[in-house]
Amino acid sequence: GDSVTQMEGPVTLSEEAFLTINCTYTATGYPSLFWYVQYPGEGLQLLLKATKADDKGSNKGFEATYRKETTSFHLEKGSVQVSDSAVYFCALKQGAQKLVFGQGTRLTINP
Amino acid sequence: DAMVIQNPRYQVTQFGKPVTLSCSQTLNHNVMYWYQQKSSQAPKLLFHYYDKDFNNEADTPDNFQSRRPNTSFCFLDIRSPGLGDAAMYLCATSRDPTDTQYFGPGTRLTVL
Repeated sequence: GDSVTQMEGPVTLSEEAFLTINCTYTATGYPSLFWYVQYPGEGLQLLLKATKADDKGSNKGFEATYRKETTSFHLEKGSVQVSDSAVYFCALKQGAQKLVFGQGTRLTINP
Repeated sequence: DAMVIQNPRYQVTQFGKPVTLSCSQTLNHNVMYWYQQKSSQAPKLLFHYYDKDFNNEADTPDNFQSRRPNTSFCFLDIRSPGLGDAAMYLCATSRDPTDTQYFGPGTRLTVL
């Protein structure tokens, strides 16, 4: 079945560092891809999404590009802030099938 | 702002005492989902409603039930909570089953 594999965490960075969280997927068709963020004690917030190959999703300084050739959707941010500390989930969805999540990556940003 | 609301945010119940969690939405979405999320894990889908049609995941225990009395509200009933049911419960909605899901803030359930 479909699956999502994320970079293992936890990831710890200093403020203003460059962030990459890797995400690769396995799917038989052409899924939509998502990044959700979960702040401590909160629900999931949609961070960005891409629905077809070469689409770039972006929001709040975060970006991810749907790469069909490498089956990847890596999350990047040029300069992280302490407020970006959270758990990040990569996910895929094919049509009406259920949302498939990666295991989540915990990110901590130190001042 | 259109949104997904969950009440209460924190719920404490006793072992075996029935509990109901509530979700409401102002998005007028047709699909409402319930997820269970245990510590440091990804959310796990329990079931969803597409309009009035209930869709249960095969591995959801019978102890978990749901009701959707109207478009805006959906309830999660846990008939006899066990210690293993302590978790964050997330409600999500989407316009239709193929569309993006939007999550509420969650209800943290503690079972004593």
